Amino acid sequence: QVQLVESGGGVVQPGRSLRLSCAASGFTFTFSTYSLHWVRQAPGKGLEWVAGISYDGHKEHHADSVKGRFTISRDNSENTMYLQMNSLRAEDTAVYYCTRVVASYPVAANAFEVWGQGTVVTVSS
Amino acid sequence: EIVLTQSPATLSLSPGERATLSCGVSQSLKKTYFAWYQQKPGLAPRLLIYDTSNRATGVPGRFSGSGSGTVFTLTISRLEPEDFAVYYCQQYDTSSYTFGQGTKLEIK
Repeated sequence: QVQLVESGGGVVQPGRSLRLSCAASGFTFTFSTYSLHWVRQAPGKGLEWVAGISYDGHKEHHADSVKGRFTISRDNSENTMYLQMNSLRAEDTAVYYCTRVVASYPVAANAFEVWGQGTVVTVSS
Repeated sequence: EIVLTQSPATLSLSPGERATLSCGVSQSLKKTYFAWYQQKPGLAPRLLIYDTSNRATGVPGRFSGSGSGTVFTLTISRLEPEDFAVYYCQQYDTSSYTFGQGTKLEIK
């Protein structure tokens, strides 16, 4: 079935870096036609959109809270999306989810239909 | 940045009752790029409604969405025990996708 699996979370000191991965299965033949996003949820808090990337990787958008520190990317040949997180802060502590949108290209604006189980990132000294 | 404000923060109802959840948007959305999600403890969110009023695959017919401009609504016609959860609204009208702060639907 259609599935997203995140990995790469862990405990890291403030100022350090971490790279999250999101591997897709069940739709690998059409992976390259869907835009993808990262959403995070701090402990006991609501959902926060972090970053999104177009189906072909040519367009990226990042939330103001992570702009200049986080970078979203994807490798369509590997059916995988990434989130490079640099200069981590305590406030980046959260569960990070990767998501796939409802409809494939050429539909531009899309809600988040498929979600991974999340990976926990803890920033602490 | 577009800000979404959900009301009420907590809604206490009984199974069988009708639930109406609202989401106010800080600036009028040009299109109907609006969604609702359900989240239960320890689980990832689940998409319920997209493009304001379209039910996602597998979502029961008791869930419906409506609205335009600056006010959007999620209605659950008759609450089932499994509907008690936290609900989030989201706009994707701009390239900066924003969520509301959530409404907790609890059993009365």
